[in-house]
Amino acid sequence: NAGVTQTPKFRVLKTGQSMTLLCAQDMNHEYMYWYRQDPGMGLRLIHYSVGEGTTAKGEVPDGYNVSRLKKQNFLLGLESAAPSQTSVYFCASSYGGVQPQHFGDGTRLSIL
Amino acid sequence: RKEVEQDPGPFNVPEGATVAFNCTYSNSASQSFFWYRQDCRKEPKLLMSVYSSGNEDGRFTAQLNRASQYISLLIRDSKLSDSATYLCVVNPYSGNTPLVFGKGTRLSVIA
Repeated sequence: NAGVTQTPKFRVLKTGQSMTLLCAQDMNHEYMYWYRQDPGMGLRLIHYSVGEGTTAKGEVPDGYNVSRLKKQNFLLGLESAAPSQTSVYFCASSYGGVQPQHFGDGTRLSIL
Repeated sequence: RKEVEQDPGPFNVPEGATVAFNCTYSNSASQSFFWYRQDCRKEPKLLMSVYSSGNEDGRFTAQLNRASQYISLLIRDSKLSDSATYLCVVNPYSGNTPLVFGKGTRLSVIA
């Protein structure tokens, strides 16, 4: 049972490039989330989804887009990467909004 | 008032000590409470849920005080391996609203 899997684990981009981070969960969870975490700071919610085909903005959505075409996958896109988006990105999933979230092991993204 | 507030620490304690963290929350209607643990450069992991009557898991005890709107985590007989950041997590509003994570309290257990 893999739980929550994030790909890639590491990536270096140049300013202005685009990329997509993939999150996959095999727990049949309805809710999925994308967070970013910067050094010495807490988790900040970027976008989330309460079910297949739905997305909603979190605390820091600007510069990111998401899609949830399949229940098990939640994609995070950066259309034009900026150095301020250098961070560790965590994906999580849960059965519902009040249930505990299960996290992937993160994607370390550097934008030069 | 922030939705979830924690003392960032660090708390530096010797092995074998007992240490406690508190976390305050702003919405009196909150129903779900959790403690997570996050090791350096790793993902957060669920440590334990917090129930109204309080609950214990080995050396860890979690309690909820609704009147004062805080939850607590007590760690007895601290081990070196307990060194980590402990995140307080609360559901602030309705069931469809994501949980809110505190910024964490850092614990260092020293030999």
